[in-house]
Amino acid sequence: DGGITQSPKYLFRKEGQNVTLSCEQNLNHDAMYWYRQDPGQGLRLIYYSQIVNDFQKGDIAEGYSVSREKKESFPLTVTSAQKNPTAFYLCASDVGDTQYFGPGTRLTVL
Amino acid sequence: GNSVTQMEGPVTLSEEAFLTINCTYTATGYPSLFWYVQYPGEGLQLLLKATKADDKGSNKGFEATYRKETTSFHLEKGSVQVSDSAVYFCALLNTGGFKTIFGAGTRLFVKA
Repeated sequence: DGGITQSPKYLFRKEGQNVTLSCEQNLNHDAMYWYRQDPGQGLRLIYYSQIVNDFQKGDIAEGYSVSREKKESFPLTVTSAQKNPTAFYLCASDVGDTQYFGPGTRLTVL
Repeated sequence: GNSVTQMEGPVTLSEEAFLTINCTYTATGYPSLFWYVQYPGEGLQLLLKATKADDKGSNKGFEATYRKETTSFHLEKGSVQVSDSAVYFCALLNTGGFKTIFGAGTRLFVKA
C-alpha cells in the first residue's frame, strides 16, 4: 500500500535537546511538507520541498531544520532554539492539488 | 493575502441530524477549495474538493458548493453518524500555487 509513514508516534524531549522526526513516502511524489498543529489552530507550514536537494522555509521555520537527500524521505529536526516545540507534527506530500498526510508525531517537551 | 475562516466548534449533534459547517475564504485569483477530515489520532485526509465556481464536491454523503459570489464553501451532510465525529478543515490552494491554506478546523461530536 502506498502512503506516508511518520515515526515515532509519540516523542518526549528534554529541554535543550535536538530531536529528529522521520517522514517517509512511497507515493513517488516530488513535493513534501511539514506542518505543525496546535490545539484550536489550523496547520502552520514549517518547511516544504518541491524537489530533492531543495527546500524552502514556510511560515514558522525558526528553530527547525530539514533535509531532502532522497525523494522518499524528508526528516524534520526540532532544535533547542525552538521556544515552544510541544505540538502535533504532520508530514504531507502532494500530487496535483491534493495533499496526502502521514499519521503524525506528537512531540512533548518535558 | 489568502485566508480561510471557518465556524468555531465544537459542534455537537445527535445521530441523523443535519450538519452544516460554514467556511468563507479570501483569495486573489481563482482558488481550488477543499474539505479535509482528521479522525482522532490521525493525519488529515481529503474529503472533497471543488476547482471552480458553482462546482459541487461530494463524498461519503458530504457535499459543498463553491460559491464565488459569497466566497463560501460550506460543508453539509443530511444525516450524520457517530463515525463522522472528527475535525473538519476547510482549505484553499490558489491557481498555480503550491501552498495550501488551512482554516482552524471545526470539531464535530455526534452522539448516539
